[in-house]
Amino acid sequence: RKEVEQDPGPFNVPEGATVAFNCTYSNSASQSFFWYRQDCRKEPKLLMSVYSSGNEDGRFTAQLNRASQYISLLIRDSKLSDSATYLCVVSLTDKLIFGTGTRLQVFP
Amino acid sequence: GAGVSQTPSNKVTEKGKYVELRCDPISGHTALYWYRQSLGQGPEFLIYFQGTGAADDSGLPNDRFFAVRPEGSVSTLKIQRTERGDSAVYLCASSREGRTEAFFGQGTRLTVV
Repeated sequence: RKEVEQDPGPFNVPEGATVAFNCTYSNSASQSFFWYRQDCRKEPKLLMSVYSSGNEDGRFTAQLNRASQYISLLIRDSKLSDSATYLCVVSLTDKLIFGTGTRLQVFP
Repeated sequence: GAGVSQTPSNKVTEKGKYVELRCDPISGHTALYWYRQSLGQGPEFLIYFQGTGAADDSGLPNDRFFAVRPEGSVSTLKIQRTERGDSAVYLCASSREGRTEAFFGQGTRLTVV
């Protein structure tokens, strides 16, 4: 079983739609959680950290459920510029472990 | 620039040759990571340095792969006897310390022919 699992997609959504990505992780000792964004042929960049209480940054909301070992990312009012791959990342003993990524394509 | 710098950006080598990939992290960042990314996959962990020492090298696929960071800043990933399966983008990242935001370089695209 992979340490971090994500649905690879692609998710094809119209502008303005709300879209949610899920991620599960296998090691209950995982300590920190993140969503990274990666554009085609570019390096990953941090989108947001994920906290147990849930956190929001503009149109983006991240949730963590430690009991279920589940992380989610919600994007509201999708923009064309949101088209990218979203990587779920967990930290275990200072090592960042990446999921395969979920590809999002927003169309006009 | 102030970001993570990786050189070369592209490297084509023949099967069986030796290659070195360089990473220059953000100044002051003690943690440095190497990852490998194949098409359609997420970055795969290779090795993590905290200062000069390799804190975790469990991701190195075999003994053909080796990495050093002798002065706690620049790191070099070394691959001996390259194989076609080594072809991938090799990403380096650094962070102020472990478990905090990691900043990635643009990667070295390695092609073994």
